[in-house]
Amino acid sequence: ETGVTQTPRHLVMGMTNKKSLKCEQHLGHNAMYWYKQSAKKPLELMFVYNFKEQTENNSVPSRFSPECPNSSHLFLHLHTLQPEDSALYLCASSQAAGVGETQYFGPGTRLLVL
Amino acid sequence: KQEVTQIPAALSVPEGENLVLNCSFTDSAIYNLQWFRQDPGKGLTSLLLIQSSQREQTSGRLNASLDKSSGRSTLYIAASQPGDSATYLCAVGRGSQGNLIFGKGTKLSVKP
Repeated sequence: ETGVTQTPRHLVMGMTNKKSLKCEQHLGHNAMYWYKQSAKKPLELMFVYNFKEQTENNSVPSRFSPECPNSSHLFLHLHTLQPEDSALYLCASSQAAGVGETQYFGPGTRLLVL
Repeated sequence: KQEVTQIPAALSVPEGENLVLNCSFTDSAIYNLQWFRQDPGKGLTSLLLIQSSQREQTSGRLNASLDKSSGRSTLYIAASQPGDSATYLCAVGRGSQGNLIFGKGTKLSVKP
């Protein structure tokens, strides 16, 4: 266990549904990240939050909406997704967002969009 | 645009063999390089982090090297064990926010 939990672990949703992914870290970190891992593609950074402030949005479509209410929790709100959004979504945390900080990853949420 | 390539995509070796995984990157202006392992159904586990000013890092049976000028890193695993079977990911750090650019990984299988 890395101290980063994600729920749900699996999710199936239709293109018209609205759902949310949740990430919680118990490490006392101040930075949290969302990554997307699609089949046969490299892991891609989506968003970075540092001390609850979004510091990076890697040109992610607006149908993905992140929320960071505090340093321990990170959400990814999903709406009107496309089948190509099916992927493993990974959350990570680090002491702070910066050079040389080790990121600790959760187990991921496997999302299937029908 | 930074691109990270890992070769080979898959590797199968007998237990006890020493092996090398390769990672190359196109832009040498990196802050650091990290190696992770990913097990099925689990997230990523950080193995080694090499700062841009360093040449190598060691942890147990693992040794990672970094040659920024040539855009290469290697992960050396000594005396491989079945428990080492996993996908190994290389990631280069860029940007002040700790952004990581990942390769597609090398899937390692160590046969008993």
